Amino acid sequence: DAGVTQSPTHLIKTRGQQVTLRCSPISGHKSVSWYQQVLGQGPQFIFQYYEKEERGRGNFPDRFSARQFPNYSSELNVNALLLGDSALYLCASSLEVRRQPQHFGDGTRLSIL
Amino acid sequence: GESVGLHLPTLSVQEGDNSIINCAYSNSASDYFIWYKQESGKGPQFIIDIRSNMDKRQGQRVTVLLNKTVKHLSLQIAATQPGDSAVYFCAEISTGGGADGLTFGKGTHLIIQP
Repeated sequence: DAGVTQSPTHLIKTRGQQVTLRCSPISGHKSVSWYQQVLGQGPQFIFQYYEKEERGRGNFPDRFSARQFPNYSSELNVNALLLGDSALYLCASSLEVRRQPQHFGDGTRLSIL
Repeated sequence: GESVGLHLPTLSVQEGDNSIINCAYSNSASDYFIWYKQESGKGPQFIIDIRSNMDKRQGQRVTVLLNKTVKHLSLQIAATQPGDSAVYFCAEISTGGGADGLTFGKGTHLIIQP
């Protein structure tokens, strides 16, 4: 079975631009979460979605938004990009929303120039 | 990951020996813990999880121990192999709220010596 897939794998943007990252969960998984991983640190929670609704949000500004589609895939949008947004953006999926193992994709490497 | 941390940033182990990776957490409300392995250029890979109503859980070559009294978590890897070289993260989820956002520690880099 396919794991969590993310696209694109790499992306280069300039300050002020907007970006959309995409995630397809493992088949049968209904919950998708997004994380930001800065080099040398552990991932930081951005959002969790379940059944197309936002179930939780980490400490990130309103420039970050996301949505989940009826097929449980998800998009993460970041507006007005800053240099500090350069990071690996990870998507994780789980069967349900509560106390289930979260399985990660290999991420999208976003570089801001 | 302010509430989850690791004691050592780097751990060097001889091939074939057992490895023990430690993790301290500060949130006593945390009730679900996961260990992840992350290789260079890849996303975190699920290793094993444990709920707060358990003290020990075993998987294939791995054991996780949870000591709620001192808020300590450890991952034991038996007969360490070269393929075990990676950064290992512990992550926790606290009770309350409607979401399961994981809080990660900074990670321990496990190096396998031949």
